[in-house]
Amino acid sequence: DTGVSQNPRHKITKRGQNVTFRCDPISEHNRLYWYRQTLGQGPEFLTYFQNEAQLEKSRLLSDRFSAERPKGSFSTLEIQRTEQGDSAMYLCASSRSLSYGYTFGSGTRLTVV
Amino acid sequence: AQTVTQSQPEMSVQEAETVTLSCTYDTSESDYYLFWYKQPPSRQMILVIRQEAYKQQNATENRFSVNFQKAAKSFSLKISDSQLGDAAMYFCAYSGNTDKLIFGTGTRLQVFP
Repeated sequence: DTGVSQNPRHKITKRGQNVTFRCDPISEHNRLYWYRQTLGQGPEFLTYFQNEAQLEKSRLLSDRFSAERPKGSFSTLEIQRTEQGDSAMYLCASSRSLSYGYTFGSGTRLTVV
Repeated sequence: AQTVTQSQPEMSVQEAETVTLSCTYDTSESDYYLFWYKQPPSRQMILVIRQEAYKQQNATENRFSVNFQKAAKSFSLKISDSQLGDAAMYFCAYSGNTDKLIFGTGTRLQVFP
């Protein structure tokens, strides 16, 4: 197992376009998390899955954001009609139990121009 | 709501010396976990050490140890025998009844030869 994998590593898009990111968690981890990190800040929680069920969604996540985890395996995070304020690093993490902490991926850096 | 505060935006240490990074948190929960994560430049976030709130003994992982003061809601990280590879952003994080991590704003650690 190679850890949590995120694709793409970098994405540059024009304002108003839709983007989709993918996260492949560690296979035996049933919990999957999406966070957003802006420069100089700590990661902010976006949403969380346990298996295929999306259990919590932050108020930070506007209607333009949607996340899925079909069959409880990989997850996608889609941002529709991107805005410049969406520019950030999007981090995915997985865990088998929060007491063990998360394993993070390398993130997808989104730049909206 | 729970909050995590890291009051030191930047710290520096000489190689082989010891440095302590501060973290305080606010919660009304009695059972929770605390973590320190390391984020090297342009690299993924790595778990450094974790502490279970019900354990009075401070956690230790090789050169990394914590000073957990539950009554004071303080959770500092001590790095002994600092190495150049320790240079990174360090984030303190809290997890309680909700199955997600809440992060502080981070402390940038510089290590000088």
